[in-house]
Amino acid sequence: KAGVTQTPRYLIKTRGQQVTLSCSPISGHRSVSWYQQTPGQGLQFLFEYFSETQRNKGNFPGRFSGRQFSNSRSEMNVSTLELGDSALYLCASSLRTSGYNEQFFGPGTRLTVL
Amino acid sequence: DAKTTQPNSMESNEEEPVHLPCNHSTISGTDYIHWYRQLPSQGPEYVIHGLTSNVNNRMASLAIAEDRKSSTLILHRATLRDAAVYYCIRFSGGSNYKLTFGKGTLLTVNP
Repeated sequence: KAGVTQTPRYLIKTRGQQVTLSCSPISGHRSVSWYQQTPGQGLQFLFEYFSETQRNKGNFPGRFSGRQFSNSRSEMNVSTLELGDSALYLCASSLRTSGYNEQFFGPGTRLTVL
Repeated sequence: DAKTTQPNSMESNEEEPVHLPCNHSTISGTDYIHWYRQLPSQGPEYVIHGLTSNVNNRMASLAIAEDRKSSTLILHRATLRDAAVYYCIRFSGGSNYKLTFGKGTLLTVNP
């Protein structure tokens, strides 16, 4: 069974631009969560999508948005990039059938904002 | 607010057992205890979870205190590959379906 895939793996953008990251979950998983990881703040939850609906949202500005398609693939968009958005963006998929379902993480997209 | 407390770092020798503690004194009755680890340059990886009883899987064991206010992740024989940051997480599921990561414990394994 293929794992969670994220594209692109590396990205360099400049301030003010926007970026779209993609995540393909494990087949059969309908929940996709996004996390941001920085050296200063650690791993922080961005949002979770389940069956094309945003179910949970973390404490991030509206510049961060996402969506999920009918095949469970998810995209995350960051508009008007700031230097502080430089981070590793991780997505995780899960069955989301109970409180103990493990989340499977992808390798992440390393975003650098210049 | 991660709501769990872990030591910043721990050190072990290869082939020896490792006990990684976690305090979650305000845990609610329906919160699961999940452990994840993150190896260098990789995304987090699920290790084990539990609710009330002790749990074992091929990677580790999880010992949960009777009052559920603390737990211990046990690696029975540490290998160099176990060097990672270990995160203990309270997981509610339901409408709060998200992992809230703290700073975790950096485990160093000496050869």
